[in-house]
Amino acid sequence: DQQVKQNSPSLSVQEGRISILNCDYTNSMFDYFLWYKKYPAEGPTFLISISSIKDKNEDGRFTVFLNKSAKHLSLHIVPSQPGDSAVYFCAASANFESGGSYIPTFGRGTSLIVHP
Amino acid sequence: KAGVTQTPRYLIKTRGQQVTLSCSPISGHRSVSWYQQTPGQGLQFLFEYFSETQRNKGNFPGRFSGRQFSNSRSEMNVSTLELGDSALYLCASSLVSRAAGYTFGSGTRLTVV
Repeated sequence: DQQVKQNSPSLSVQEGRISILNCDYTNSMFDYFLWYKKYPAEGPTFLISISSIKDKNEDGRFTVFLNKSAKHLSLHIVPSQPGDSAVYFCAASANFESGGSYIPTFGRGTSLIVHP
Repeated sequence: KAGVTQTPRYLIKTRGQQVTLSCSPISGHRSVSWYQQTPGQGLQFLFEYFSETQRNKGNFPGRFSGRQFSNSRSEMNVSTLELGDSALYLCASSLVSRAAGYTFGSGTRLTVV
């Protein structure tokens, strides 16, 4: 049973437009969320994170939104650039002190293609 | 500073053989985790080591094992290889703080024939 779901295997956008990558989770103990980017033949690279006490975190062109009631988060990339073309993984972890696991659980990834 | 180093980068093994993969974490990182990535399956957690002790284990058969040395370097071993073990094996190191996130190595691409 997948606890972190990325329902769109791929997304194609035009350079300069907004890319929106979505992620849903089922485990209500998750309280920390991360996005990773992965290029072919490389390991995933940490991109941005958000704690459950926030609903938005911004870092340059990247913004992550968290909707706890819907158990949904999204990554917005504005403006999208061809170099952003990669696989994006959503991950979630729980509070160890609350009995959860801090080990991140990853989604299956969304392949983003940004066309020039 | 040096990143996470995984060796070898590529490996081809025959069904039934065993294989050992190596991971050198970032200096100062004491936690090392291993993940398996297969097409369409995302990253599946294998195990985590901290100070030479296995602290967490994923849902993989006992053919998958690992260890961590006193210098934090880690190895994972897969015995009696099966075709389905063909995957990218990723190692990640981290500080204690979750906020830092993981730093992944480039992975070892294992092909079982």
